Amino acid sequence: NAGVMQNPRHLVRRRGQEARLRCSPMKGHSHVYWYRQLPEEGLKFMVYLQKENIIDESGMPKERFSAEFPKEGPSILRIQQVVRGDSAAYFCASSPTGDSNQPQHFGDGTRLSIL
Amino acid sequence: AQSVTQLDSHVSVSEGTPVLLRCNYSSSYSPSLFWYVQHPNKGLQLLLKYTSAATLVKGINGFEAEFKKSETSFHLTKPSAHMSDAAEYFCVVSDLETLGRLYFGRGTQLTVWP
Repeated sequence: NAGVMQNPRHLVRRRGQEARLRCSPMKGHSHVYWYRQLPEEGLKFMVYLQKENIIDESGMPKERFSAEFPKEGPSILRIQQVVRGDSAAYFCASSPTGDSNQPQHFGDGTRLSIL
Repeated sequence: AQSVTQLDSHVSVSEGTPVLLRCNYSSSYSPSLFWYVQHPNKGLQLLLKYTSAATLVKGINGFEAEFKKSETSFHLTKPSAHMSDAAEYFCVVSDLETLGRLYFGRGTQLTVWP
């Protein structure tokens, strides 16, 4: 049963390092969303991608964060020069279409800790 | 603009008693509404969804929710709580304006006492 796969499950980085988070969507899903969950908060939208295209990045911080979803391979969320405030759980979700009435299927998340 | 307010950050019930988790939403267009559940260190699992069909929606594990447009509410209920229901629950909204991105409430932590 190939659900949404995220890796790594846990990632520890020191301040100033780079973090790469990977997401493989469910089979047949070409729409990928990234969300961030900060402590004591709900999930906040970051970016929406379709194969090789960024559809909506209105939730992405303007600096240090980038995302891609190449033709082949997983979607990658990249955080450069990490800071303590980047510590959070990052969730990826996928859906077969971009329709607002389609539920999104979530992975188990990557818990990023910054030392 | 879209937003979701979950009226209780924590709800505690005894096993076998009813569960009510409250949610109010705001949406510019006809909304799609979802409830997701999150167990510790896990991702989110879809409980149920409303997408302009029947206003009373049945989901998994005995949960259901009623869409009330006049009250802009989408409360989640279950007649009898089980210990395994203890988790965090998120009310979520999207609509045509959001291009598929989801807006989450801040969550309600459900505790079930034996």
